[in-house]
Amino acid sequence: QKEVEQNSGPLSVPEGAIASLNCTYSDRGSQSFFWYRQYSGKSPELIMFIYSNGDKEDGRFTAQLNKASQYVSLLIRDSQPSDSATYLCAVIQGGKLIFGQGTELSVKP
Amino acid sequence: GAVVSQHPSWVICKSGTSVKIECRSLDFQATTMFWYRQFPKQSLMLMATSNEGSKATYEQGVEKDKFLINHASLTLSTLTVTSAHPEDSSFYICRGGGLFTEAFFGQGTRLTVV
Repeated sequence: QKEVEQNSGPLSVPEGAIASLNCTYSDRGSQSFFWYRQYSGKSPELIMFIYSNGDKEDGRFTAQLNKASQYVSLLIRDSQPSDSATYLCAVIQGGKLIFGQGTELSVKP
Repeated sequence: GAVVSQHPSWVICKSGTSVKIECRSLDFQATTMFWYRQFPKQSLMLMATSNEGSKATYEQGVEKDKFLINHASLTLSTLTVTSAHPEDSSFYICRGGGLFTEAFFGQGTRLTVV
């Protein structure tokens, strides 16, 4: 079992729709969770982090954490073509920041 | 915000040569620098963790004699890929800052070994 798992996609949504990205993790003791966006050929950029169960909203982005089920998700409202990128989930496990393989999102105009 | 400057952004080298990648923290002291490698369509894999003034800690399966890491100052960490081979071609990214704080990534280095 991978430590951090994501559906590699690609996930395709029309412009203006809600994109839903999911991530599961193996270490029940994990406390810190991050979502990054990575454009092709570029390094990741942090979108959001979440530490507590529930939802955390920042503009068009909402991170959701459910520690009991060991999953964290990212919702992108009013998706734009510029949101097309690979989204990486990362979890601090064993003192290290472990990344999932990323989900490729494509927003069609 | 804090910036980590990574150079070069891309490099092409001949098989058997060595390549040095530099990461500088521009407005903060990076006591710790994390080095990652990313192959196409794959995740970032942690290679090693370097701490200023001490030896780097390498992840399982990463050859410490091949990937030399130096962190001699609070603002500079370097990764040298020695005797590079085509299979070392990858995207190398450094990250400075604390583990639980916002991670400041360098711009990444695309290494191509021919």
